[in-house]
Amino acid sequence: RKEVEQDPGPFNVPEGATVAFNCTYSNSASQSFFWYRQDCRKEPKLLMSVYSSGNEDGRFTAQLNRASQYISLLIRDSKLSDSATYLCVVNEFNKFYFGSGTKLNVKP
Amino acid sequence: NAGVTQTPKFQVLKTGQSMTLQCAQDMNHEYMSWYRQDPGMGLRLIHYSVGAGITDQGEVPNGYNVSRSTTEDFPLRLLSAAPSQTSVYFCASSTGTGAYEQYFGPGTRLTVT
Repeated sequence: RKEVEQDPGPFNVPEGATVAFNCTYSNSASQSFFWYRQDCRKEPKLLMSVYSSGNEDGRFTAQLNRASQYISLLIRDSKLSDSATYLCVVNEFNKFYFGSGTKLNVKP
Repeated sequence: NAGVTQTPKFQVLKTGQSMTLQCAQDMNHEYMSWYRQDPGMGLRLIHYSVGAGITDQGEVPNGYNVSRSTTEDFPLRLLSAAPSQTSVYFCASSTGTGAYEQYFGPGTRLTVT
């Protein structure tokens, strides 16, 4: 069983749409949670950390549900520049586990 | 700051050859790690280090060796390349584990024929 599972998509949405991604993780002892963004053939970059209380950064909102072991990312008012693959990442002690990513295509 | 640098950017090897992928960071980060990324899969941890002189295995360590003699450098050695090691390799560093951001290098695209 994979440590972190994500719907691969793609999610094809028009500009201005709201889109949500979910991710589940298998180890209840996981300690830290993140969303990274990866553009085609580039290195991943941190989008935001995810906290138990939920957190927001502009158009992006992340939520963590420890009881159900899932993490979500909500993107409001999608921009063309949001087109990318979004990676869910979970930290267990000294190791980071990545989901396979969810691809988002924002269309004009 | 250059951040995390990786060399080479591209490499083609024949089966059985060995090589070293270089990774360096200038942010004085204690934690460094190597990942491989295959099509349709997420990044998988190969090896990591929590400081100079300390290394440990990740999810997929077989066929790879690492060492960490300095804080700045964390080379990855392929002992005897196999076609299954064809992949994109990313090196990353962070202040620590836990809730710290990882900074990634630009990657090395390796093909083993």
